[in-house]
Amino acid sequence: KQEVTQIPAALSVPEGENLVLNCSFTDSAIYNLQWFRQDPGKGLTSLLLIQSSQREQTSGRLNASLDKSSGRSTLYIAASQPGDSATYLCAVSSMNNNAGNMLTFGGGTRLMVKP
Amino acid sequence: NAGVTQTPKFQVLKTGQSMTLQCAQDMNHEYMSWYRQDPGMGLRLIHYSVGAGITDQGEVPNGYNVSRSTTEDFPLRLLSAAPSQTSVYFCASRSGAEQYFGPGTRLTVT
Repeated sequence: KQEVTQIPAALSVPEGENLVLNCSFTDSAIYNLQWFRQDPGKGLTSLLLIQSSQREQTSGRLNASLDKSSGRSTLYIAASQPGDSATYLCAVSSMNNNAGNMLTFGGGTRLMVKP
Repeated sequence: NAGVTQTPKFQVLKTGQSMTLQCAQDMNHEYMSWYRQDPGMGLRLIHYSVGAGITDQGEVPNGYNVSRSTTEDFPLRLLSAAPSQTSVYFCASRSGAEQYFGPGTRLTVT
């Protein structure tokens, strides 16, 4: 059974810092990995999607990498801003879970960026 | 495009009551799904559908029913609510690999 772990569970940084959020998964037979942002009391917003054949994806100040063989992904946020404060969720679509029709989520990293 | 919409936003039920959580999408996506989010458990898949008339169970399907009569709508039914179903429910649709989530329904069962 696929398991996804995110470390750290919570992170507080001063504005302007570069930071890295970590995601690990136990089954490397994945179709893709997706990073989401969730604001308090809101739904999930997709940030970056990495297909299993890709190594990284970039969007603005965000860069996500994928090392499928070691079961790891990182989300790099450059020059953090208070508006980046949210919970960041990592999710994988696994070949062995409902033929990829199910996302397995990590518990999330709660990020606070202080002005 | 409104994207994925869910109603109601909040609901309180008594144990044993039934209700339907509504989900609609206007992006013509074939794939739709329902997740529940609980503290410390992350999001878990309840049911999903790969097209009108086709549904299947996810990780935690017990106590929930779904149907998919149209591409746009994917309602989730609780036949006899239990306190263990207190949660935040998210509906999602998918185009290719990327998932789009609705704003959620916060359900409390007393």
